[in-house]
Amino acid sequence: AAGVIQSPRHLIKEKRETATLKCYPIPRHDTVYWYQQGPGQDPQFLISFYEKMQSDKGSIPDRFSAQQFSDYHSELNMSSLELGDSALYFCASSSRTSGKGNTQYFGPGTRLTVL
Amino acid sequence: TQLLEQSPQFLSIQEGENLTVYCNSSSVFSSLQWYRQEPGEGPVLLVTVVTGGEVKKLKRLTFQFGDARKDSSLHITAAQPGDTGLYLCAGASGGSNYKLTFGKGTLLTVNP
Repeated sequence: AAGVIQSPRHLIKEKRETATLKCYPIPRHDTVYWYQQGPGQDPQFLISFYEKMQSDKGSIPDRFSAQQFSDYHSELNMSSLELGDSALYFCASSSRTSGKGNTQYFGPGTRLTVL
Repeated sequence: TQLLEQSPQFLSIQEGENLTVYCNSSSVFSSLQWYRQEPGEGPVLLVTVVTGGEVKKLKRLTFQFGDARKDSSLHITAAQPGDTGLYLCAGASGGSNYKLTFGKGTLLTVNP
């Protein structure tokens, strides 16, 4: 079965640079979620989109923005990167339309390292 | 802010032993998921429970959702070395809000 696809898997950036992370949800899933997981930490919710509209917002810095496109893929844009942004970034998807919005499937993650 | 207290944080047992991991909160969740995560990889969904008192079984794993939907447990029977990993519980608050709040995880090591 198709899973959530994230790209790139690894990304190295310098401080103050920008980064764009991409997420392709499971086919026919209408909701995308972004989570950040620091070293030794549990995943923290950043933001979610349902049917291309922002659905909920968590502890996402103002330097970050995200959107969901017409093909349901999502991009997380991160600007003015800081050392503390180094983390694993996960995308998850679910299908609210089918009544299973609370069952989220996670992608393999993007490991961002800021030097 | 909803919090999920997961215990124990670390667990090291011998092959063949049974174990239980607990996930507790003072808040009510509309659903609760259990994930297993390998280092550097994404959490892999094991089960979703949505009804208070619900029990689900997945081979040697038994998941239970508390009657009040504030707590859950994961019981593994006859643990095997292949069960080694990080187990995470995560709750959704419900309504139109499906964001997950995670517990801190239980790092399980099953020794041969």
